[in-house]
Amino acid sequence: AQKVTQAQTEISVVEKEDVTLDCVYETRDTTYYLFWYKQPPSGELVFLIRRNSFDEQNEISGRYSWNFQKSTSSFNFTITASQVVDSAVYFCALNQAGTALIFGKGTTLSVSS
Amino acid sequence: NAGVTQTPKFQVLKTGQSMTLQCAQDMNHNSMYWYRQDPGMGLRLIYYSASEGTTDKGEVPNGYNVSRLNKREFSLRLESAAPSQTSVYFCASSEAVGTSGSALYNEQFFGPGTRLTVL
Repeated sequence: AQKVTQAQTEISVVEKEDVTLDCVYETRDTTYYLFWYKQPPSGELVFLIRRNSFDEQNEISGRYSWNFQKSTSSFNFTITASQVVDSAVYFCALNQAGTALIFGKGTTLSVSS
Repeated sequence: NAGVTQTPKFQVLKTGQSMTLQCAQDMNHNSMYWYRQDPGMGLRLIYYSASEGTTDKGEVPNGYNVSRLNKREFSLRLESAAPSQTSVYFCASSEAVGTSGSALYNEQFFGPGTRLTVL
């Protein structure tokens, strides 16, 4: 069975703080994809990143970075120097062969000025 | 290029009424999905269609039916709405990599959502 756990329900930070959103997944497959999505207060879902299970290289995109560790089944997301516009619900998701995406329950990030 | 479109954006139903949520994508994707989003529950898959002509149940299919009308369109029907179906419904599409039985899916593109209230 596959499962995604986002243990942090809500996180509150002050602008310019760094924040890490945790994601732990379970799968029996060796080939799978991991995703992060952002849902701002306006409600739409925005794709952020996809990671292949064979690629453990960390990814950095501007203030965003992702740390994928197969040894701990984790795919954590860090926002550096957070901004108010980063306030949103963030979802981690897993796809293994032959199934649709399974989403975690999401982490609500609130960034105050 | 509109991406994924959904209609309607808002709907209020009475218990027992029926309705169909419409979804269309113009990205030529093979796979389409219907999710519901409830507070604290994240996104839960209702049904998906890996390719035109096929549909499969997701995590929460009870009370819903779907139709993959063609490659572009994937509709969700509530035959007899219940208050428990009050939710925000999202349609999504994606491209598959590999064959249907072992396909992995590229990132999903989501529609803007339909906010449904059942009284």
